[in-house]
Amino acid sequence: AQTVTQSQPEMSVQEAETVTLSCTYDTSESDYYLFWYKQPPSRQMILVIRQEAYKQQNATENRFSVNFQKAAKSFSLKISDSQLGDAAMYFCAYRLIQGAQKLVFGQGTRLTINP
Amino acid sequence: DARVTQTPRHKVTEMGQEVTMRCQPILGHNTVFWYRQTMMQGLELLAYFRNRAPLDDSGMPKDRFSAEMPDATLATLKIQPSEPRDSAVYFCASGLVPGAYSGNTIYFGEGSWLTVV
Repeated sequence: AQTVTQSQPEMSVQEAETVTLSCTYDTSESDYYLFWYKQPPSRQMILVIRQEAYKQQNATENRFSVNFQKAAKSFSLKISDSQLGDAAMYFCAYRLIQGAQKLVFGQGTRLTINP
Repeated sequence: DARVTQTPRHKVTEMGQEVTMRCQPILGHNTVFWYRQTMMQGLELLAYFRNRAPLDDSGMPKDRFSAEMPDATLATLKIQPSEPRDSAVYFCASGLVPGAYSGNTIYFGEGSWLTVV
């Protein structure tokens, strides 16, 4: 079974600084997607960034980028120039491309931004 | 602006009562998921449907939970009878998942906050 692990229950960063959230996963499959979702206090699940496992290039979305290490099964999220609005729970998630395409989530990392 | 719509947003009910949560997936999406979020268990998949057919409901307590898709625009999650341990946020999500290398995103509704007292 696929599992996703986020080893940092909480992280904090100063506004305008850079922070990296860690995620590792376990799978025997080779074709899958990885995602980072943001959940602010409103509880809305917002997609931050997506990575296809068959792509070697790391995905980027404005201030958000990932470091995808397929062999190590690692998928970290880097937030540059942190803003107060980035404060939220962040969930790493995995989904197969074929077969069971449900999202498997990690336990989440609560990110606090210090002004 | 297409979005997944869930009702009710908030529900407080007494133990033993029936609770029905509804979800309208994004038009054209063929896959619908029900997730439950609690502090202790995090985000758990309860069930999901493809083209209205249930594909996996192994995460759902069968004795009291049921999930259906009466039509392509409506998914329901029912709890009968409800118990305090069912208190959680229930999310519906939808996506267009054909099984190809499409990278289609799964979109979440805003959640139904359930409190069973």
